[in-house]
Parts: sequence; C-alpha cells; structure tokens
Amino acid sequence: DGGITQSPKYLFRKEGQNVTLSCEQNLNHDAMYWYRQDPGQGLRLIYYSQIVNDFQKGDIAEGYSVSREKKESFPLTVTSAQKNPTAFYLCASRRSEAVSYGYTFGSGTRLTIV
Amino acid sequence: GQNIDQPTEMTATEGAIVQINCTYQTSGFNGLFWYQQHAGEAPTFLSYNVLDGLEEKGRFSSFLSRSKGYSYLLLKELQMKDSASYLCAVRHDYKLSFGAGTTVTVRA
Repeated sequence: DGGITQSPKYLFRKEGQNVTLSCEQNLNHDAMYWYRQDPGQGLRLIYYSQIVNDFQKGDIAEGYSVSREKKESFPLTVTSAQKNPTAFYLCASRRSEAVSYGYTFGSGTRLTIV
Repeated sequence: GQNIDQPTEMTATEGAIVQINCTYQTSGFNGLFWYQQHAGEAPTFLSYNVLDGLEEKGRFSSFLSRSKGYSYLLLKELQMKDSASYLCAVRHDYKLSFGAGTTVTVRA
C-alpha cells in the first residue's frame, strides 16, 4: 500500500541538540509539506517543496531546515535555534495536478525536548 | 496574513446533527478542505469544496460560499466515533492554511 511514513513516532532530545525527522512517501507525489501542531492551535506550515531540489519557507520556518534530494524523501531538521521545538510534527504530500484529492498526511512525530 | 476561524468546541448527543462553521480571509482561494483528526493521529480527508454549494458524502456534508468567505461541515446521525477534532483548511498560493480546529464531543 502507498502512503507516507514518518519515523520515529516519539522522539526525545536534549535542549541544544539538532534533530532530524524523517518523512518518506511512495505515492509518487510531487509536493511535500511539513506542519507543526501545538495544543489548541491549527497546523502551521514550516516548509514545503513542490519539486525535487526546490523548497520554500512556510509561515514558521525559523529554526528549521529541510532538503529535497529525492522525490520520495523530505527530512526536517529542528535546529538548536528553534526556541520551542516541543510539538507534534506532521508531514504531508500531494500530487500537484490533483488538487481535489487534498493532502495525504503521515502519522506524525511527537518531539519532546527534555 | 491568513485568517481562518472556527469554534473551539461543540458538544452533541448521539444520533443528532452538528454544524461546524468556518470563516476565512486568505490571499487567494483555490479550494476549502475539511479534515477529521483523532487525538495524536494524522488528519484524514473528509471533503473538498471549490465552487459554491453543498457537497454531500454519506453522513457528512460540506457547504461553501466564496462571496461570504464561509463554509460549514454538517455531521448527521452522530456516532460516538465521530468525537474528534475537525479542521477547516483553505488552499491558496500553493499552500494549505488551517484553522485551529473544532473539538466535537458526542455524548450518549
């Protein structure tokens, strides 16, 4: 079955350490997205990529970095510059030409800074 | 900036109907989505509206008025499993922006 895989589901890191969240899709989707979700708030867009080797900042990109070297993979690095990184992170993908099908989401990674 | 508003919480009885409203002001508009999200899980797609009017899909219906910047999600014949957060999202400028979500609690 095709889908989006995010790993790990739970991640703990010490303050000041960089951490990379994995997102892999086998849906042959062109566009990929990273969102952050905090309690009582909607999903906020961190970064997105519409094509390999290209990506754009979303609404809250500060303290994060991404790469898109392969169509299937869109890893997110949470750097030590991110002031409050504890959150639920969701990766999504979409076929660029199929707007009506919406976005497919991964199962998320809950990051906790200890 | 983008502004997408929906109520924080709603409570309804099993078998009843609940309507979740969403108002939006965004730079551009390429469609409105409704997602369901259970706690700690990924959002799942419910509906998509790009033209004015009502889209019906089983127990769920979604309505859009582009001139009013308004949508609603109608949940009929509520079941306990419908207890979840419902997210309104607007597609614009190649992005999808979300409201904060409405937590629906279904009581027996």
